[in-house]
Amino acid sequence: QKEVEQNSGPLSVPEGAIASLNCTYSDRVSQSFFWYRQYSGKSPELIMSIYSNGDKEDGRFTAQLNKASQYVSLLIRDSQPSDSATYLCAVLGTGTASKLTFGTGTRLQVTL
Amino acid sequence: DGGITQSPKYLFRKEGQNVTLSCEQNLNHDAMYWYRQDPGQGLRLIYYSQIVNDFQKGDIAEGYSVSREKKESFPLTVTSAQKNPTAFYLCASSLARYNEQFFGPGTRLTVL
Repeated sequence: QKEVEQNSGPLSVPEGAIASLNCTYSDRVSQSFFWYRQYSGKSPELIMSIYSNGDKEDGRFTAQLNKASQYVSLLIRDSQPSDSATYLCAVLGTGTASKLTFGTGTRLQVTL
Repeated sequence: DGGITQSPKYLFRKEGQNVTLSCEQNLNHDAMYWYRQDPGQGLRLIYYSQIVNDFQKGDIAEGYSVSREKKESFPLTVTSAQKNPTAFYLCASSLARYNEQFFGPGTRLTVL
Protein backbone atom coordinates (compact mmCIF):
# COMPACT_ATOMS: atom_id res chain seq x y z
CA GLN A 1 0.00 0.00 0.00
CA LYS A 2 1.35 3.40 -0.95
CA GLU A 3 1.88 5.78 1.96
CA VAL A 4 0.05 8.66 0.27
CA GLU A 5 -2.46 7.86 -2.45
CA GLN A 6 -4.05 10.12 -5.01
CA ASN A 7 -6.05 9.42 -8.13
CA SER A 8 -3.76 10.36 -11.03
CA GLY A 9 -6.62 11.73 -13.12
CA PRO A 10 -7.00 13.65 -15.25
CA LEU A 11 -9.88 15.24 -13.41
CA SER A 12 -11.77 17.37 -15.87
CA VAL A 13 -14.11 20.12 -14.65
CA PRO A 14 -15.77 22.97 -16.54
CA GLU A 15 -14.78 26.55 -15.84
CA GLY A 16 -16.66 27.92 -12.83
CA ALA A 17 -17.30 24.51 -11.28
CA ILE A 18 -15.92 23.09 -8.04
CA ALA A 19 -12.95 20.76 -8.35
CA SER A 20 -12.57 18.17 -5.62
CA LEU A 21 -9.19 16.51 -5.15
CA ASN A 22 -8.73 13.67 -2.71
CA CYS A 23 -5.85 12.07 -0.85
CA THR A 24 -5.57 9.19 1.61
CA TYR A 25 -2.60 8.36 3.79
CA SER A 26 -1.50 5.29 5.70
CA ASP A 27 0.46 6.65 8.67
CA ARG A 28 -2.14 7.16 11.37
CA VAL A 29 0.11 9.44 13.47
CA SER A 30 0.66 11.97 10.66
CA GLN A 31 0.26 15.51 11.92
CA SER A 32 0.75 17.95 9.06
CA PHE A 33 -0.79 17.96 5.62
CA PHE A 34 0.01 20.06 2.58
CA TRP A 35 -1.27 20.68 -0.90
CA TYR A 36 1.12 21.77 -3.63
CA ARG A 37 0.28 22.90 -7.15
CA GLN A 38 2.72 21.99 -9.90
CA TYR A 39 2.45 23.37 -13.41
CA SER A 40 3.98 21.29 -16.20
CA GLY A 41 7.76 21.64 -16.19
CA LYS A 42 7.78 23.78 -13.04
CA SER A 43 8.47 23.15 -9.37
CA PRO A 44 5.76 22.57 -6.73
CA GLU A 45 4.18 25.62 -5.12
CA LEU A 46 2.66 25.38 -1.64
CA ILE A 47 -0.99 26.43 -1.69
CA MET A 48 -2.50 25.04 1.52
CA SER A 49 -1.43 23.63 4.88
CA ILE A 50 -3.77 21.97 7.36
CA TYR A 51 -2.98 20.55 10.77
CA SER A 52 -6.27 19.84 12.56
CA ASN A 53 -9.53 18.15 11.68
CA GLY A 54 -12.07 20.20 9.80
CA ASP A 55 -11.97 22.77 7.04
CA LYS A 56 -9.50 25.52 6.29
CA GLU A 57 -10.35 28.12 3.69
CA ASP A 58 -8.06 30.44 1.77
CA GLY A 59 -9.68 32.34 -1.06
CA ARG A 60 -11.05 29.85 -3.60
CA PHE A 61 -9.28 26.95 -1.90
CA THR A 62 -10.61 24.83 0.97
CA ALA A 63 -8.62 22.03 2.56
CA GLN A 64 -10.51 19.39 4.52
CA LEU A 65 -8.92 16.97 6.98
CA ASN A 66 -10.40 13.88 8.61
CA LYS A 67 -7.74 12.12 10.66
CA ALA A 68 -10.06 9.31 11.74
CA SER A 69 -10.59 8.36 8.10
CA GLN A 70 -6.99 9.28 7.14
CA TYR A 71 -8.30 11.50 4.40
CA VAL A 72 -7.46 14.98 3.22
CA SER A 73 -9.06 16.84 0.35
CA LEU A 74 -8.75 20.09 -1.57
CA LEU A 75 -11.71 21.93 -3.01
CA ILE A 76 -11.22 24.60 -5.63
CA ARG A 77 -14.27 26.82 -6.11
CA ASP A 78 -14.98 28.75 -9.30
CA SER A 79 -12.31 26.76 -11.16
CA GLN A 80 -10.35 28.72 -13.75
CA PRO A 81 -8.28 27.49 -16.71
CA SER A 82 -5.22 28.76 -14.81
CA ASP A 83 -5.96 26.13 -12.15
CA SER A 84 -5.09 23.40 -14.65
CA ALA A 85 -2.06 21.73 -13.08
CA THR A 86 -1.03 18.69 -11.08
CA TYR A 87 -1.91 18.86 -7.39
CA LEU A 88 0.38 17.05 -4.99
CA CYS A 89 -0.72 15.93 -1.55
CA ALA A 90 2.06 15.73 1.04
CA VAL A 91 1.95 14.29 4.54
CA LEU A 92 4.39 14.82 7.39
CA GLY A 93 4.58 12.35 10.24
CA THR A 94 6.12 12.74 13.66
CA GLY A 95 9.30 11.49 15.23
CA THR A 96 12.94 12.10 14.46
CA ALA A 97 12.88 9.96 11.33
CA SER A 98 9.73 11.47 9.88
CA LYS A 99 9.76 13.02 6.45
CA LEU A 100 7.41 14.69 4.03
CA THR A 101 5.84 11.99 1.86
CA PHE A 102 4.29 13.00 -1.43
CA GLY A 103 1.54 11.42 -3.44
CA THR A 104 2.03 11.09 -7.19
CA GLY A 105 -0.43 13.90 -7.83
CA THR A 106 -3.79 14.45 -9.50
CA ARG A 107 -3.83 16.22 -12.83
CA LEU A 108 -6.64 18.77 -13.04
CA GLN A 109 -7.97 20.08 -16.33
CA VAL A 110 -10.34 23.03 -16.28
CA THR A 111 -12.20 23.24 -19.57
CA LEU A 112 -13.75 26.32 -21.18
CA ASP B 1 13.60 39.49 -2.53
CA GLY B 2 13.62 36.23 -0.57
CA GLY B 3 13.62 32.85 -2.21
CA ILE B 4 15.40 29.71 -3.28
CA THR B 5 17.57 29.61 -6.36
CA GLN B 6 18.87 26.57 -8.19
CA SER B 7 21.40 26.44 -10.96
CA PRO B 8 21.75 25.50 -13.65
CA LYS B 9 18.22 25.16 -14.96
CA TYR B 10 19.27 22.46 -17.41
CA LEU B 11 22.31 20.21 -17.13
CA PHE B 12 23.65 17.58 -19.47
CA ARG B 13 26.06 14.96 -18.23
CA LYS B 14 28.07 12.34 -19.97
CA GLU B 15 28.14 8.91 -18.41
CA GLY B 16 30.93 8.59 -15.86
CA GLN B 17 30.96 12.27 -14.95
CA ASN B 18 30.20 13.80 -11.58
CA VAL B 19 28.08 16.95 -11.63
CA THR B 20 27.13 19.39 -8.88
CA LEU B 21 23.77 21.10 -8.61
CA SER B 22 23.60 24.37 -6.74
CA CYS B 23 20.92 25.39 -4.23
CA GLU B 24 20.93 28.71 -2.39
CA GLN B 25 18.31 30.27 -0.12
CA ASN B 26 18.06 33.67 1.53
CA LEU B 27 15.02 32.86 3.67
CA ASN B 28 17.12 32.24 6.79
CA HIS B 29 15.76 28.68 6.89
CA ASP B 30 17.59 26.10 8.97
CA ALA B 31 16.46 22.99 7.07
CA MET B 32 17.17 22.18 3.44
CA TYR B 33 16.25 19.20 1.29
CA TRP B 34 16.95 17.58 -2.05
CA TYR B 35 14.28 15.66 -3.93
CA ARG B 36 14.19 13.84 -7.21
CA GLN B 37 11.08 13.72 -9.39
CA ASP B 38 10.58 11.16 -12.14
CA PRO B 39 7.56 11.00 -14.47
CA GLY B 40 4.59 9.29 -12.81
CA GLN B 41 6.30 9.12 -9.44
CA GLY B 42 6.05 11.23 -6.34
CA LEU B 43 8.93 13.31 -5.10
CA ARG B 44 11.58 11.17 -3.45
CA LEU B 45 13.89 12.46 -0.75
CA ILE B 46 17.61 12.21 -1.47
CA TYR B 47 19.23 14.07 1.43
CA TYR B 48 18.23 16.62 4.03
CA SER B 49 20.00 18.91 6.44
CA GLN B 50 18.56 20.36 9.62
CA ILE B 51 21.52 22.52 10.49
CA VAL B 52 24.89 23.62 9.16
CA ASN B 53 27.52 20.87 9.02
CA ASP B 54 24.92 18.15 9.49
CA PHE B 55 22.96 16.15 6.93
CA GLN B 56 21.07 12.88 6.75
CA LYS B 57 20.36 10.37 4.01
CA GLY B 58 16.87 10.19 2.61
CA ASP B 59 15.22 7.30 0.82
CA ILE B 60 17.42 7.25 -2.29
CA ALA B 61 20.85 8.60 -1.24
CA GLU B 62 22.97 6.06 -3.13
CA GLY B 63 25.05 7.72 -5.82
CA TYR B 64 24.58 11.21 -4.39
CA SER B 65 26.54 13.37 -1.96
CA VAL B 66 25.89 16.71 -0.28
CA SER B 67 27.55 19.29 1.93
CA ARG B 68 26.20 22.01 4.22
CA GLU B 69 29.05 24.38 5.01
CA LYS B 70 26.86 27.48 5.04
CA LYS B 71 23.28 27.97 6.16
CA GLU B 72 22.35 29.41 2.78
CA SER B 73 23.81 26.70 0.59
CA PHE B 74 23.17 22.98 0.10
CA PRO B 75 24.83 21.67 -3.08
CA LEU B 76 24.10 18.19 -4.42
CA THR B 77 26.67 16.14 -6.31
CA VAL B 78 25.41 13.43 -8.62
CA THR B 79 28.22 10.92 -8.88
CA SER B 80 28.98 8.38 -11.57
CA ALA B 81 27.72 5.73 -9.13
CA GLN B 82 24.14 6.94 -9.67
CA LYS B 83 22.97 4.56 -12.38
CA ASN B 84 19.88 6.40 -13.53
CA PRO B 85 20.43 10.10 -12.86
CA THR B 86 18.17 11.60 -15.54
CA ALA B 87 15.46 13.37 -13.56
CA PHE B 88 14.11 16.70 -12.31
CA TYR B 89 15.97 17.71 -9.14
CA LEU B 90 14.26 19.93 -6.63
CA CYS B 91 15.75 21.73 -3.67
CA ALA B 92 13.51 22.83 -0.82
CA SER B 93 13.90 24.62 2.49
CA SER B 94 11.89 25.09 5.66
CA LEU B 95 12.22 27.22 8.75
CA ALA B 96 12.85 24.08 10.77
CA ARG B 97 12.53 20.34 10.33
CA TYR B 98 8.74 20.03 10.68
CA ASN B 99 7.63 23.24 9.01
CA GLU B 100 6.23 23.90 5.56
CA GLN B 101 8.69 23.30 2.75
CA PHE B 102 9.20 25.70 -0.12
CA PHE B 103 10.77 24.68 -3.40
CA GLY B 104 13.29 26.19 -5.74
CA PRO B 105 12.70 26.21 -9.51
CA GLY B 106 14.52 22.90 -10.08
CA THR B 107 17.32 21.57 -12.25
CA ARG B 108 16.60 19.17 -15.06
CA LEU B 109 19.50 16.74 -15.47
CA THR B 110 19.90 14.63 -18.58
CA VAL B 111 22.54 11.96 -19.07
CA LEU B 112 23.73 11.73 -22.64
